[in-house]
Amino acid sequence: QSVLTQPPSASGTPGQRVTISCSGSSSNIGSNTVNWYQQLPGTAPKLLIHTNNQRPSGVPDRFSGSKSGTSASLAISGLQSEDEADYYCAPWDASLNAYVFGTGTKVTVL
Amino acid sequence: EVLLVESGGGLVQPGGSLRLSCAASDFIFSTYWMTWVRQAPGKGLEWVAHIKQDASEINYVDSVKGRFTISRDNAKNSLYLQMNSLRAEDTAVYYCARQESHYNYAFDVWGQGTMVTVSS
Repeated sequence: QSVLTQPPSASGTPGQRVTISCSGSSSNIGSNTVNWYQQLPGTAPKLLIHTNNQRPSGVPDRFSGSKSGTSASLAISGLQSEDEADYYCAPWDASLNAYVFGTGTKVTVL
Repeated sequence: EVLLVESGGGLVQPGGSLRLSCAASDFIFSTYWMTWVRQAPGKGLEWVAHIKQDASEINYVDSVKGRFTISRDNAKNSLYLQMNSLRAEDTAVYYCARQESHYNYAFDVWGQGTMVTVSS
């Protein structure tokens, strides 16, 4: 049972904007930076956003992250078919002394 | 090309042991924290353990404490995960990943994963 809650699914048509939430607590999101990972079907995860809202080189600017209090969000604007994947938030948890992953959100492009 | 390649997975009986390896190439392995993450079939990601550059700092998720040991050999550019007293719930794909300090230690490079199946 993860300490971070994400909606199990999200969907949109090509070109739409989709937002994924990640709800945590003061010991994780509230006091540490959040990273987001994308996992395409059958592949290893890939770093999408680090330090709440920073994109590694090569990640399209359609992807953006934000954090407020004990929650974080990932937005995908201009949704494309290749964005169909599972998305996970992941901060450090100071109480558990461990990294924690969100429950994961499956994004479907209709 | 920066690469991580895991090996050592397989089928093991409950209570058995397995040692996973992760070979790193094309980056200065000794300057990075390294991490293991696992994913049970059809489930989400779970962080397992990480180790500092000189192995002076190590942390584990509670569910593997006392059973798993993470280690590294900087001379061989290799990361390891010794798994003892294995349980059915340890069945998963195990990924090694690099932690990039400039990204606040996010996991920026991942291996392809190695499958561990614990079953009689």
